[in-house]
Amino acid sequence: DVKVTQSSRYLVKRTGEKVFLECVQDMDHENMFWYRQDPGLGLRLIYFSYDVKMKEKGDIPEGYSVSREKKERFSLILESASTNQTSMYLCASRPGTGVSQPQHFGDGTRLSIL
Amino acid sequence: RKEVEQDPGPFNVPEGATVAFNCTYSNSASQSFFWYRQDCRKEPKLLMSVYSSGNEDGRFTAQLNRASQYISLLIRDSKLSDSATYLCAVNKGGSSYKLIFGSGTRLLVRP
Repeated sequence: DVKVTQSSRYLVKRTGEKVFLECVQDMDHENMFWYRQDPGLGLRLIYFSYDVKMKEKGDIPEGYSVSREKKERFSLILESASTNQTSMYLCASRPGTGVSQPQHFGDGTRLSIL
Repeated sequence: RKEVEQDPGPFNVPEGATVAFNCTYSNSASQSFFWYRQDCRKEPKLLMSVYSSGNEDGRFTAQLNRASQYISLLIRDSKLSDSATYLCAVNKGGSSYKLIFGSGTRLLVRP
């Protein structure tokens, strides 16, 4: 089974803090993704990485950056947290070959910015 | 028009009922299609991929209609444990591995 692990289930931070969300997968997947999910807005792609040290902006990258130094780990960074970044953050991974491969999700991080 | 659209529901059905959800997509070049299940405050979990010829997994049947650009999920003999939100996902087109998710259809199965 694919295992995608996110470092925290719940996180509370203060406005202006730099926040790191970590995601690790154990299936040697090339592609990794960060989403946020908000009521009424669904899943929105923040950033993705198609391989080590490679990254591309998704649909809502503003206020975020990412790091992929090792294949198994994909980090999301909130440079200066703001209250509108309070959300459920989901990491996903998939193999790099074949468009028919689905994404598999970690169990999410509920982030509250006070 | 949204790239991927679903009826938000909720669909409220009795145990044992058959229920079907549709999901429409706008990009005719999309090549891969999936159904995910998401329980309250949990992550989406892959339910099934959707293949061109249609496919079945136990009580669940997925269909693809390319001409009308929609996919469907049929659940037969609904169980209480089927209560969840069902998300469809469609790739952005061609060989893109980026998925666009629908906002989900909520299913409530009552005793």
